[in-house]
Amino acid sequence: EIVLTQSPGTLSLSPGERATLSCRASLAIGHDYLAWYVQRPGQAPRLLIYGIFRRATGVADRFSGSGSGTDFTLTISRLEPEDFAVYYCQQYDYSPITFGQGTRLEIK
Amino acid sequence: EVQLVESGGGLVQPGGSLRLSCATSGFTFSDHYMDWVRQAPGKGLEYVGRSRLKADSYRTEYAASVEGRFTISRDESQSSLYLQMNSLKTEDTAVYYCVRDVGGVYNFWGQGTLVTVSS
Repeated sequence: EIVLTQSPGTLSLSPGERATLSCRASLAIGHDYLAWYVQRPGQAPRLLIYGIFRRATGVADRFSGSGSGTDFTLTISRLEPEDFAVYYCQQYDYSPITFGQGTRLEIK
Repeated sequence: EVQLVESGGGLVQPGGSLRLSCATSGFTFSDHYMDWVRQAPGKGLEYVGRSRLKADSYRTEYAASVEGRFTISRDESQSSLYLQMNSLKTEDTAVYYCVRDVGGVYNFWGQGTLVTVSS
């Protein structure tokens, strides 16, 4: 199965700063089948980005996705207080679907 | 409004069985693949399995970790998804989420139901 490795494990930043989260796949992801989810404490995950760069309905434009092949990035341009949470990447190109282990974004 | 509501979680002994349900509303259930995803306490997300459509003969697929022990089914008259879990192990302890699957993208999630496998 495809292994997704997210880095860093924890990212400490302040509101207003820019966040860059990485996701590396053990095999090239085709068809742009890479998504990002956010999970706030006590809540279910929520879709942020799919197809590498397509924002889900209602997602603020400060969130952007990029990358290709095996290396992907989620960028949050200016952190808001509600952005401090855990972020997961997911590939849906290969079966079984797999997730990264998550990046925790915490307030510095 | 799309809603997914899981139920049926609880405490079960190792080797026991449990059946989870997911009641859905707000969309045409029969048009969508539906999946189960779980999250062990303090851990990340893990795909459990998928239920396909009538056109796919309702074919199901499972993660290797649950193959042969878990069975996914759906009742389109009730717009509901089910997860029958047998031969439960302590490592199956997790919150189980019902998710709507659009080409592998999980655009709607339930609130989850906690399954605890412990003696």
